Amino acid sequence: DAGVIQSPRHEVTEMGQEVTLRCKPISGHDYLFWYRQTMMRGLELLIYFNNNVPIDDSGMPEDRFSAKMPNASFSTLKIQPSEPRDSAVYFCASSFSADATQYFGPGTRLLVL
Amino acid sequence: QQQVKQSPQSLIVQKGGISIINCAYENTAFDYFPWYQQFPGKGPALLIAIRPDVSEKKEGRFTISFNKSAKQFSLHIMDSQPGDSATYFCAARNGGSQGNLIFGKGTKLSVKP
Repeated sequence: DAGVIQSPRHEVTEMGQEVTLRCKPISGHDYLFWYRQTMMRGLELLIYFNNNVPIDDSGMPEDRFSAKMPNASFSTLKIQPSEPRDSAVYFCASSFSADATQYFGPGTRLLVL
Repeated sequence: QQQVKQSPQSLIVQKGGISIINCAYENTAFDYFPWYQQFPGKGPALLIAIRPDVSEKKEGRFTISFNKSAKQFSLHIMDSQPGDSATYFCAARNGGSQGNLIFGKGTKLSVKP
């Protein structure tokens, strides 16, 4: 398996623009997680899905952030409108079950100018 | 109560030395304690994990020591090598949270040759 795939790997955008991050989990994994990593706050869980259903979105910072999982092999994290403070590395991870190892993707490095 | 506190923030060790990273938690509902290793530009990857029914787990040069009464656990890297230079994250999972991991802030380890 190719592992968790994320795109784009890097994104530079201007404040106010819409940003869409994409994730393809490992085939057969029922759980998908979106994390944000910054120097100040470390790794923060934003939202996670089980069988394409959002389970806990309490980590989503505000209404500008939204996440979807239309099918078992694809998820998006959207920021609209983006702000400079959203600059971070966003990771997607997946796992086979609730208590299984989470496998992380390579991340998307987002810079909002 | 959901926090995992990790120390030190950074660590410099000579090649062949022992690296020790410590974590502490408050929530007694945590039932799984993994350590993740992250190299620059990569996503975190599971290194080793322990459950609270054992006090120690060893895999090669990596050992987790777990003290349930003190609510502390630590990662020991024996015979540290320059290739071990990375950021290490401890984490904990609440057994009732369907897989939600709470991460420590990370420790940047540098092993000098």
